[in-house]
Amino acid sequence: AQTVTQSQPEMSVQEAETVTLSCTYDTSESDYYLFWYKQPPSRQMILVIRQEAYKQQNATENRFSVNFQKAAKSFSLKISDSQLGDAAMYFCAYRLMNRDDKIIFGKGTRLHILP
Amino acid sequence: GAVVSQHPSWVICKSGTSVKIECRSLDFQATTMFWYRQFPKQSLMLMATSNEGSKATYEQGVEKDKFLINHASLTLSTLTVTSAHPEDSSFYICSARDRKKSIAKNIQYFGAGTRLSVL
Repeated sequence: AQTVTQSQPEMSVQEAETVTLSCTYDTSESDYYLFWYKQPPSRQMILVIRQEAYKQQNATENRFSVNFQKAAKSFSLKISDSQLGDAAMYFCAYRLMNRDDKIIFGKGTRLHILP
Repeated sequence: GAVVSQHPSWVICKSGTSVKIECRSLDFQATTMFWYRQFPKQSLMLMATSNEGSKATYEQGVEKDKFLINHASLTLSTLTVTSAHPEDSSFYICSARDRKKSIAKNIQYFGAGTRLSVL
């Protein structure tokens, strides 16, 4: 069975600094997606970034980038130039490609931004 | 981007009553919708997968008769919590997949969630 592990329940970062959130996963499949979702206090789930497992190049979205290590089954999220609006719960997630749509979420990391 | 509307955003009900939560895809057709439950400070747990025109597929441990799911159209899925009890109090979130996009390329869009409080 696939599992997603986020070992950091909470993290804090100074505004304008860089922070990295960790995520590891376990799967025997070779084709899958990995995601980082953001859940702010409003609780609306927002897709931050997506990575296809077959792509070696790390995905980037403005200040957000990932470090995808397929062999190590690691998928960390780096947030550069942290802003107060980045404060939220961040969930790492996994989904098989070309199969059912079930998304498996990690337990989340709560990110605090210090002014 | 695609919008998923969830209604109501918050509902308070008495123990023993039933509550219906709606999930609508506003600008796309959703063959498949998903229902999640989120306890305070915890992750999202998939309850069931709802396919238009067919029975929902429930995850292990989720009571089918307790959580009734109907997906009668390509833009609407409903979750009914029957005979609600205080332990059913939780945050319920739906998501939807755009049927026009292939499974490989699709993205799930999430509703804003419904907070259910059972007294």
